[in-house]
Amino acid sequence: NAGVTQTPKFQVLKTGQSMTLQCAQDMNHEYMSWYRQDPGMGLRLIHYSVGAGITDQGEVPNGYNVSRSTTEDFPLRLLSAAPSQTSVYFCASSYSYRVNTEAFFGQGTRLTVV
Amino acid sequence: GESVGLHLPTLSVQEGDNSIINCAYSNSASDYFIWYKQESGKGPQFIIDIRSNMDKRQGQRVTVLLNKTVKHLSLQIAATQPGDSAVYFCAENKGGADGLTFGKGTHLIIQP
Repeated sequence: NAGVTQTPKFQVLKTGQSMTLQCAQDMNHEYMSWYRQDPGMGLRLIHYSVGAGITDQGEVPNGYNVSRSTTEDFPLRLLSAAPSQTSVYFCASSYSYRVNTEAFFGQGTRLTVV
Repeated sequence: GESVGLHLPTLSVQEGDNSIINCAYSNSASDYFIWYKQESGKGPQFIIDIRSNMDKRQGQRVTVLLNKTVKHLSLQIAATQPGDSAVYFCAENKGGADGLTFGKGTHLIIQP
């Protein structure tokens, strides 16, 4: 049981480049989300999805797109990378937002934009 | 601003002592709280949770206390070990679909 898998673990981008961070979970969880973690800022919600075909914006969505075509996958796309997007990105999943249960996190993707 | 915060950014304790990590929250509608542990280079890991209809919950070497009157949450770790060194986050769920709100974290350092 792999849980939540994120790829890649590390990435360096040039300003203006685009890329997709991959996230997959094998727990058949309805709810998936993306956070970014910056020093002194804790984890901030970028986008979330309550089920396949449904996505919504979190606290800091600008510059990012998501889609949820399957229950398992929730990729995060950076449209035109900026240095302000240098951060560690975490994908998380949980059973359902309607039930208070823990969120399971991936190992993170450390992104540097130069 | 942050609706969940921590009183101390760094806590240093002697190995074998008990640790207490504090968290304040401001949203009285929050009905579910979680403590996460994050080791260097890893994602947050679930430690323990508590619902708003409870005051205390115990796990293995950990206890979470919830004081709704003053909107305060604490994590107690008994007999701390070197493996407890990590950053600890509290998180609250306000009950909507927009996920957990995290505090900034407390770095727990275990002195030998």
